[in-house]
Amino acid sequence: EPEVTQTPSHQVTQMGQEVILRCVPISNHLYFYWYRQILGQKVEFLVSFYNNEISEKSEIFDDQFSVERPDGSNFTLKIRSTKLEDSAMYFCASSEWAEAFFGQGTRLTVV
Amino acid sequence: QQQVKQSPQSLIVQKGGISIINCAYENTAFDYFPWYQQFPGKGPALLIAIRPDVSEKKEGRFTISFNKSAKQFSLHIMDSQPGDSATYFCAASMIKAAGNKLTFGGGTRVLVKP
Repeated sequence: EPEVTQTPSHQVTQMGQEVILRCVPISNHLYFYWYRQILGQKVEFLVSFYNNEISEKSEIFDDQFSVERPDGSNFTLKIRSTKLEDSAMYFCASSEWAEAFFGQGTRLTVV
Repeated sequence: QQQVKQSPQSLIVQKGGISIINCAYENTAFDYFPWYQQFPGKGPALLIAIRPDVSEKKEGRFTISFNKSAKQFSLHIMDSQPGDSATYFCAASMIKAAGNKLTFGGGTRVLVKP
Protein backbone atom coordinates (compact mmCIF):
# COMPACT_ATOMS: atom_id res chain seq x y z
CA GLU A 1 0.00 0.00 0.00
CA PRO A 2 1.43 3.41 -0.92
CA GLU A 3 2.44 5.58 1.98
CA VAL A 4 3.93 8.95 2.80
CA THR A 5 7.49 8.60 4.05
CA GLN A 6 9.36 11.15 6.14
CA THR A 7 13.01 11.49 7.07
CA PRO A 8 14.60 11.76 9.50
CA SER A 9 12.37 10.24 12.18
CA HIS A 10 14.10 12.34 14.84
CA GLN A 11 16.18 15.49 14.46
CA VAL A 12 17.96 17.30 17.27
CA THR A 13 19.25 20.76 16.47
CA GLN A 14 20.67 23.74 18.28
CA MET A 15 18.64 26.91 18.54
CA GLY A 16 19.36 29.20 15.61
CA GLN A 17 20.34 26.39 13.25
CA GLU A 18 18.59 25.59 10.00
CA VAL A 19 16.80 22.28 9.56
CA ILE A 20 15.28 20.60 6.54
CA LEU A 21 12.59 18.00 6.99
CA ARG A 22 12.01 15.70 4.06
CA CYS A 23 8.96 13.93 2.76
CA VAL A 24 8.13 11.65 -0.13
CA PRO A 25 4.39 11.96 -0.81
CA ILE A 26 2.27 9.27 -2.43
CA SER A 27 3.22 9.29 -6.09
CA ASN A 28 -0.06 10.19 -7.84
CA HIS A 29 -1.09 12.80 -5.27
CA LEU A 30 -1.42 16.44 -6.24
CA TYR A 31 -1.74 18.21 -2.92
CA PHE A 32 0.95 18.35 -0.25
CA TYR A 33 0.78 19.58 3.31
CA TRP A 34 2.81 20.13 6.42
CA TYR A 35 1.25 19.96 9.88
CA ARG A 36 2.81 20.04 13.30
CA GLN A 37 1.84 18.64 16.68
CA ILE A 38 3.35 19.98 19.87
CA LEU A 39 3.57 17.22 22.47
CA GLY A 40 0.14 16.35 23.85
CA GLN A 41 -1.65 18.96 21.76
CA LYS A 42 -3.73 18.91 18.61
CA VAL A 43 -2.47 18.71 15.07
CA GLU A 44 -2.06 22.17 13.51
CA PHE A 45 -1.99 23.11 9.85
CA LEU A 46 1.13 24.86 8.60
CA VAL A 47 0.99 25.02 4.81
CA SER A 48 -0.52 23.47 1.70
CA PHE A 49 1.22 23.21 -1.67
CA TYR A 50 -0.42 22.67 -5.04
CA ASN A 51 0.65 23.19 -8.61
CA ASN A 52 4.19 24.06 -7.52
CA GLU A 53 3.22 26.87 -5.21
CA ILE A 54 1.92 27.53 -1.72
CA SER A 55 -1.87 27.53 -1.86
CA GLU A 56 -2.54 28.34 1.79
CA LYS A 57 -0.53 28.94 4.94
CA SER A 58 -1.28 29.50 8.60
CA GLU A 59 -0.08 32.32 10.84
CA ILE A 60 2.46 29.86 12.28
CA PHE A 61 4.12 29.63 8.86
CA ASP A 62 6.13 32.85 9.06
CA ASP A 63 9.24 33.96 7.17
CA GLN A 64 11.35 31.40 9.03
CA PHE A 65 9.54 28.59 7.20
CA SER A 66 9.71 27.62 3.56
CA VAL A 67 8.64 24.65 1.47
CA GLU A 68 9.98 23.24 -1.73
CA ARG A 69 9.31 20.46 -4.15
CA PRO A 70 12.79 20.21 -5.65
CA ASP A 71 12.01 17.28 -7.94
CA GLY A 72 9.08 15.07 -8.86
CA SER A 73 9.09 13.09 -5.65
CA ASN A 74 10.36 15.06 -2.65
CA PHE A 75 8.64 17.74 -0.60
CA THR A 76 10.67 19.60 2.00
CA LEU A 77 10.05 21.93 4.93
CA LYS A 78 12.90 24.26 5.90
CA ILE A 79 13.09 26.17 9.14
CA ARG A 80 15.80 28.81 8.76
CA SER A 81 16.61 29.70 12.35
CA THR A 82 15.05 27.28 14.80
CA LYS A 83 13.59 28.40 18.11
CA LEU A 84 12.90 26.36 21.21
CA GLU A 85 9.17 26.62 20.51
CA ASP A 86 9.65 24.90 17.14
CA SER A 87 10.12 21.62 19.02
CA ALA A 88 7.26 19.40 17.84
CA MET A 89 6.30 16.48 15.63
CA TYR A 90 6.10 17.59 12.03
CA PHE A 91 3.83 15.62 9.75
CA CYS A 92 3.81 15.66 6.00
CA ALA A 93 0.56 14.70 4.27
CA SER A 94 -0.56 14.29 0.71
CA SER A 95 -3.88 13.86 -1.04
CA GLU A 96 -5.29 13.18 -4.46
CA TRP A 97 -8.32 15.27 -3.54
CA ALA A 98 -10.01 15.35 -0.11
CA GLU A 99 -8.55 12.34 1.71
CA ALA A 100 -5.23 13.27 3.27
CA PHE A 101 -2.71 10.59 4.20
CA PHE A 102 -0.09 11.39 6.79
CA GLY A 103 3.48 10.26 7.19
CA GLN A 104 4.94 8.91 10.41
CA GLY A 105 6.34 12.28 11.33
CA THR A 106 9.68 13.84 12.22
CA ARG A 107 10.25 14.66 15.86
CA LEU A 108 12.17 17.93 15.95
CA THR A 109 13.91 18.78 19.20
CA VAL A 110 15.49 22.22 19.47
CA VAL A 111 18.00 22.56 22.31
CA GLN B 1 -14.93 30.51 13.77
CA GLN B 2 -12.38 28.00 12.50
CA GLN B 3 -12.38 25.97 15.71
CA VAL B 4 -13.43 22.37 16.11
CA LYS B 5 -14.23 21.39 19.68
CA GLN B 6 -13.89 17.75 20.67
CA SER B 7 -15.08 15.92 23.77
CA PRO B 8 -14.35 14.08 25.95
CA GLN B 9 -10.59 14.49 26.31
CA SER B 10 -10.28 10.90 27.46
CA LEU B 11 -12.47 7.85 27.61
CA ILE B 12 -12.22 4.45 29.24
CA VAL B 13 -14.44 1.69 27.90
CA GLN B 14 -14.67 -2.02 28.54
CA LYS B 15 -13.92 -4.47 25.76
CA GLY B 16 -17.09 -4.97 23.74
CA GLY B 17 -18.50 -1.61 24.76
CA ILE B 18 -19.30 1.45 22.65
CA SER B 19 -16.96 4.44 22.50
CA ILE B 20 -18.61 7.74 21.59
CA ILE B 21 -16.64 10.87 20.73
CA ASN B 22 -18.30 14.17 19.89
CA CYS B 23 -17.20 17.18 17.87
CA ALA B 24 -18.76 20.56 17.25
CA TYR B 25 -17.82 23.15 14.67
CA GLU B 26 -18.73 26.77 14.01
CA ASN B 27 -17.91 27.40 10.38
CA THR B 28 -20.91 26.44 8.25
CA ALA B 29 -18.69 26.46 5.17
CA PHE B 30 -16.98 23.26 6.32
CA ASP B 31 -17.97 20.44 3.97
CA TYR B 32 -15.71 17.54 4.82
CA PHE B 33 -15.45 15.83 8.21
CA PRO B 34 -12.85 13.08 8.68
CA TRP B 35 -11.82 11.14 11.74
CA TYR B 36 -8.22 10.14 12.32
CA GLN B 37 -6.74 7.49 14.62
CA GLN B 38 -3.28 8.04 16.06
CA PHE B 39 -1.12 5.56 17.95
CA PRO B 40 1.81 6.82 20.05
CA GLY B 41 4.77 7.84 17.90
CA LYS B 42 2.81 7.44 14.67
CA GLY B 43 1.11 9.77 12.25
CA PRO B 44 -2.66 10.23 12.13
CA ALA B 45 -4.34 7.53 10.04
CA LEU B 46 -7.57 8.28 8.21
CA LEU B 47 -10.37 6.19 9.68
CA ILE B 48 -13.61 7.38 8.12
CA ALA B 49 -14.99 10.60 6.67
CA ILE B 50 -18.38 12.13 5.89
CA ARG B 51 -19.76 14.92 3.73
CA PRO B 52 -22.69 17.09 4.99
CA ASP B 53 -25.24 15.67 2.56
CA VAL B 54 -25.25 12.40 4.53
CA SER B 55 -26.41 11.99 8.16
CA GLU B 56 -24.64 8.72 8.88
CA LYS B 57 -21.81 6.63 7.48
CA LYS B 58 -20.72 3.23 8.68
CA GLU B 59 -17.52 1.35 7.96
CA GLY B 60 -17.15 -1.87 9.89
CA ARG B 61 -17.29 -1.08 13.62
CA PHE B 62 -16.91 2.67 13.04
CA THR B 63 -19.89 4.97 12.44
CA ILE B 64 -20.02 8.73 11.94
CA SER B 65 -23.27 10.50 12.81
CA PHE B 66 -23.66 14.00 11.41
CA ASN B 67 -26.12 16.69 12.51
CA LYS B 68 -25.85 19.64 10.15
CA SER B 69 -28.37 21.87 11.95
CA ALA B 70 -26.60 21.42 15.26
CA LYS B 71 -23.15 21.65 13.64
CA GLN B 72 -22.10 18.49 15.41
CA PHE B 73 -20.74 15.12 14.41
CA SER B 74 -19.70 12.08 16.36
CA LEU B 75 -17.74 8.86 16.07
CA HIS B 76 -19.13 5.64 17.46
CA ILE B 77 -16.82 2.67 17.88
CA MET B 78 -18.92 -0.45 18.33
CA ASP B 79 -17.63 -3.60 20.04
CA SER B 80 -14.51 -1.72 21.19
CA GLN B 81 -11.33 -3.79 21.27
CA PRO B 82 -8.03 -3.28 23.15
CA GLY B 83 -6.41 -2.64 19.76
CA ASP B 84 -8.66 0.41 19.38
CA SER B 85 -6.81 2.08 22.26
CA ALA B 86 -5.46 5.22 20.61
CA THR B 87 -6.04 8.95 20.31
CA TYR B 88 -8.85 9.93 17.97
CA PHE B 89 -9.04 13.29 16.24
CA CYS B 90 -11.98 14.77 14.44
CA ALA B 91 -11.29 17.34 11.76
CA ALA B 92 -13.15 19.62 9.40
CA SER B 93 -12.32 21.41 6.20
CA MET B 94 -13.62 23.31 3.21
CA ILE B 95 -12.60 21.42 0.13
CA LYS B 96 -11.16 23.85 -2.40
CA ALA B 97 -9.55 23.45 -5.79
CA ALA B 98 -6.27 24.59 -4.25
CA GLY B 99 -6.31 22.12 -1.39
CA ASN B 100 -7.98 20.78 1.73
CA LYS B 101 -6.70 22.41 4.91
CA LEU B 102 -7.80 20.35 7.91
CA THR B 103 -8.76 21.96 11.22
CA PHE B 104 -8.38 19.38 13.96
CA GLY B 105 -10.17 18.94 17.24
CA GLY B 106 -8.19 18.56 20.45
CA GLY B 107 -8.21 14.76 20.42
CA THR B 108 -9.71 12.03 22.60
CA ARG B 109 -7.54 9.42 24.23
CA VAL B 110 -9.46 6.14 24.25
CA LEU B 111 -8.45 3.25 26.47
CA VAL B 112 -10.22 -0.06 25.98
CA LYS B 113 -9.87 -2.34 28.99
CA PRO B 114 -9.82 -6.09 28.37
